[in-house]
Amino acid sequence: DAGITQSPRHKVTETGTPVTLRCHQTENHRYMYWYRQDPGHGLRLIHYSYGVKDTDKGEVSDGYSVSRSKTEDFLLTLESATSSQTSVYFCAISESGRLGNEQFFGPGTRLTVL
Amino acid sequence: KNQVEQSPQSLIILEGKNCTLQCNYTVSPFSNLRWYKQDTGRGPVSLTIMTFSENTKSNGRYTATLDADTKQSSLHITASQLSDSASYICVVGSEQAGTALIFGKGTTLSVSS
Repeated sequence: DAGITQSPRHKVTETGTPVTLRCHQTENHRYMYWYRQDPGHGLRLIHYSYGVKDTDKGEVSDGYSVSRSKTEDFLLTLESATSSQTSVYFCAISESGRLGNEQFFGPGTRLTVL
Repeated sequence: KNQVEQSPQSLIILEGKNCTLQCNYTVSPFSNLRWYKQDTGRGPVSLTIMTFSENTKSNGRYTATLDADTKQSSLHITASQLSDSASYICVVGSEQAGTALIFGKGTTLSVSS
């Protein structure tokens, strides 16, 4: 998985609780992304980062926040989890934001919100 | 609306047979088209990336084709193996919004012995 780890790999939580997912890379890639994957949908971009402390919203950013204080770590936070946020979350990295650049995906985190 | 449609939704073939997966897109402006393989419980892994000027690209037993005029792509798998059982995702890159990638829902391929 191209030097990308995600933690935790599985999490069950209750509605209304805060949740933080972590993505860690050892490739020193500048760009990092958070996607969610749901049945009946293609992967959808939540947020992405183009450098330390530089982030931007994706297609489905409502209810999520991110932070990137170090090149290697990108955190996704659900401030108050809802059942609609039950999903599989993937982190991805790329050397640059150019569309020709390859995106490498992590192993995913399965989140269940009860 | 930018969309990527894949067909069939699922497919079952016997080991050793060939198969072709289809992808139609309505993304504009078009930058590139990728095919990813996603094994169950894992993240997607890139198979090929093609730009507007490329109409064929191979990666081992995987061959992708692109017809930018008709906005269609196909992924041909030759001499299938059990390990080819996975979801295959077509992804179109668009310059419309910086890093925008539009993902199809995938075709689930099952190879049986």
